[in-house]
Amino acid sequence: AQSVSQHNHHVILSEAASLELGCNYSYGGTVNLFWYVQYPGQHLQLLLKYFSGDPLVKGIKGFEAEFIKSKFSFNLRKPSVQWSDTAEYFCAVTRTFTGNQFYFGTGTSLTVIP
Amino acid sequence: KAGVTQTPRYLIKTRGQQVTLSCSPISGHRSVSWYQQTPGQGLQFLFEYFSETQRNKGNFPGRFSGRQFSNSRSEMNVSTLELGDSALYLCASSGTSDTFQETQYFGPGTRLLVL
Repeated sequence: AQSVSQHNHHVILSEAASLELGCNYSYGGTVNLFWYVQYPGQHLQLLLKYFSGDPLVKGIKGFEAEFIKSKFSFNLRKPSVQWSDTAEYFCAVTRTFTGNQFYFGTGTSLTVIP
Repeated sequence: KAGVTQTPRYLIKTRGQQVTLSCSPISGHRSVSWYQQTPGQGLQFLFEYFSETQRNKGNFPGRFSGRQFSNSRSEMNVSTLELGDSALYLCASSGTSDTFQETQYFGPGTRLLVL
């Protein structure tokens, strides 16, 4: 079945550690890729997005992601996490020309220990 | 610009009842999508409306329905509630055009508890 996979369900890091969260999708054709974050008690917010062009995209709060088409991946990275990055992270995919239906991964819960 | 607003924020219903949730998109946005978020299933797409027409539909039973008004506000209705319908229902808006490369902006959600 076509899907979006986030292999890390729970990640615990110490402050200043580097972060990489995996995201793989199985849809063919042209896709648009997103990472959203949900801080405790808050609504989903966009971290970054990729539509086309440079496969390395930079988002807010020092996050970046790299689209590797051959691997169907869009991994999220941050060189040095902070306690305030504790949140749930969702990868999402839309398929160009088929509408705004977002296919979400199951999410990765990140806990940063001070 | 004001963000996406959803009302009510919390709702408690009993099995068999029906419920209507409301969503006001960001001004100028023409697309409204609805999602169900549960701990077990994550975020699942319900449907999308664009200019008052349903443009996409997810794999939910017919008890879940929606509509969009001429001012782009949208409502979602769930009839004959079941315990499994307890979830956070999220609304997202996007699109000032009819392209499909749009970012969705999410509201805070309506938390529905079915007893």
